[in-house]
Amino acid sequence: NAGVTQTPKFRVLKTGQSMTLLCAQDMNHEYMYWYRQDPGMGLRLIHYSVGEGTTAKGEVPDGYNVSRLKKQNFLLGLESAAPSQTSVYFCASSYSGTSAGEEQYFGPGTRLTVT
Amino acid sequence: AQKVTQAQTEISVVEKEDVTLDCVYETRDTTYYLFWYKQPPSGELVFLIRRNSFDEQNEISGRYSWNFQKSTSSFNFTITASQVVDSAVYFCALSEPYSGGGADGLTFGKGTHLIIQP
Repeated sequence: NAGVTQTPKFRVLKTGQSMTLLCAQDMNHEYMYWYRQDPGMGLRLIHYSVGEGTTAKGEVPDGYNVSRLKKQNFLLGLESAAPSQTSVYFCASSYSGTSAGEEQYFGPGTRLTVT
Repeated sequence: AQKVTQAQTEISVVEKEDVTLDCVYETRDTTYYLFWYKQPPSGELVFLIRRNSFDEQNEISGRYSWNFQKSTSSFNFTITASQVVDSAVYFCALSEPYSGGGADGLTFGKGTHLIIQP
């Protein structure tokens, strides 16, 4: 039981390049989330999904796209990376959502640097 | 205005001292949930506790305790007899099922960096 895994762990991009971050969970959770963590800012929600085939915007969605084609996977895409997207990205999952009081299980994070 | 305020950016204490981490939240919902997460130096986020707005009982788990007071909109976390392994960044977070129009996800505070010196 791996829990929540993220690929890759580290990545360096040049401004304007694109990339996709992959999140996978093996807990059969319905809800999945992408957060970014910046120094002194805590975690901020980018996008989330309440089930396969669904996505919704969070607090800071601009510059990102997401897809949930399979229940166990949640992809975060950067179409044209900018230095402001340098951050640590965390994926999380939850069985029935934080609105139901459920805790989230977090992946180990992806450290992305955009030069 | 921040919805979750952790005013203490960094706290440093000597091992075995007691330490309290403050969390003040703001919401218009009558039903909401509060969480504490720990982020050790390794970087992962570890769930510590969940509290719903209707349960104001204090919680104790070993050396950890939580004090939830709706009257002051606070959900403070105390570590008794701190240990070096408690060194981490601690986050308080809020879930508001109704204010966000049914949106899910957590609103995190900026975190408190706790340093326990041997």
